[in-house]
Amino acid sequence: QVQLQESGPGLVKPSQTLSLTCTVSGGSISSGGYYWSWIRQHPGKGLEWIGYIYYSGSTYYNPSLKSRVTISVDTSKNQFSLKLSSVTAADTAVYYCARESGADRGFDPWGQGTLVTVSS
Amino acid sequence: SYELTQPLSVSVALGQTARITCGGNNIGSKNVHWYQQKPGQAPVLVIYRDSNRPSGIPERFSGSNSGNTATLTISRAQAGDEADYYCQVWDSSTAVFGGGTKLTVL
Repeated sequence: QVQLQESGPGLVKPSQTLSLTCTVSGGSISSGGYYWSWIRQHPGKGLEWIGYIYYSGSTYYNPSLKSRVTISVDTSKNQFSLKLSSVTAADTAVYYCARESGADRGFDPWGQGTLVTVSS
Repeated sequence: SYELTQPLSVSVALGQTARITCGGNNIGSKNVHWYQQKPGQAPVLVIYRDSNRPSGIPERFSGSNSGNTATLTISRAQAGDEADYYCQVWDSSTAVFGGGTKLTVL
């Protein structure tokens, strides 16, 4: 079955850019039909959707983060990536990647998540 | 922006039925999905499109959605059901999550 795995630095300095990659195995991003999302969870808090990308490169971002977010896809590597610019301590969170069917069937599966701490 | 409201906590006796609500304006017109998250783990989809169970999810998990409230029902609650539960919908192309409910099995 499809599995997702996040990777990237666990520590980012304030004002810098957070960069994470999600590697998809067991299925191809370029096969279409799915939307690939980033979701984060602040420590001890709820879930916040960041945005999604389709294999074609089409994106949609949460309006609350839109000015700082870029999501891209590399179909040759079966990966999609997140960049979040000008980070502050408020961006400290566990970041998850997840797949959504595009037919409004929920996010499934999710990656295991990766903690990113913003600190000098 | 669209908001989903969940109770912070729900308690249920072992073997009894737990109901977790998710409130939103005319939520009955949207597809509601539910996730279970255990400590230190990623969320897992337990109900999609109001009342459908993904493969591998026990029949004890069910859902409904009408009017301004969606409900996740867990029958014959087990100790292993103790977790945080989140509802989620799409609104204006944006995924919206409820604040989460901590289920305690007594």
